[in-house]
Amino acid sequence: KQEVTQIPAALSVPEGENLVLNCSFTDSAIYNLQWFRQDPGKGLTSLLLIQSSQREQTSGRLNASLDKSSGRSTLYIAASQPGDSATYLCAVNSSYKLIFGSGTRLLVRP
Amino acid sequence: DGGITQSPKYLFRKEGQNVTLSCEQNLNHDAMYWYRQDPGQGLRLIYYSQIVNDFQKGDIAEGYSVSREKKESFPLTVTSAQKNPTAFYLCASSMSGQGPNVLTFGAGSRLTVL
Repeated sequence: KQEVTQIPAALSVPEGENLVLNCSFTDSAIYNLQWFRQDPGKGLTSLLLIQSSQREQTSGRLNASLDKSSGRSTLYIAASQPGDSATYLCAVNSSYKLIFGSGTRLLVRP
Repeated sequence: DGGITQSPKYLFRKEGQNVTLSCEQNLNHDAMYWYRQDPGQGLRLIYYSQIVNDFQKGDIAEGYSVSREKKESFPLTVTSAQKNPTAFYLCASSMSGQGPNVLTFGAGSRLTVL
């Protein structure tokens, strides 16, 4: 059974710092891995989607990597801003459904 | 603008009552999904549907029911059999029910049982 774990559960950093969020999964047989952002009381917004054949994806200050063999993905946020404060969830697509991690709650302090 | 509309945004229910959460999409997506989110936890799949008039149970389907009579609509009923229904419910859709897909999410419905 696929399990997705995100570490740390919460993170507080000063503005401008570069940071890394971690996601690990137990079964390497995945179609893709996706990183989402969720603001309090809101739905999810897709940030980056990495196909199983890819190693990384970049969008602006965000870079996501995927190491399928080791069951790991990282989300790198450069030059963090207070507006980046949110919960970040990763999800792996193993079949017709996504398996989500419990998220990392990020606070960027001004 | 294309997207997913969930209603109501907030819903209060007395114990023993059934409630129905609405999910409508105008993205022409084939597949639709219902997830439940509890505080500090990831999303858990309740039901999903890949085509009209067909749906499958997810990981936590007990106490819930769905229908898919139209491509654009996938309502979720939380029945009185659901022992702990207070949660945030998210609807999503995707282009197809097979292979790698990108999900589009609605804004969610928060259900509170009084």
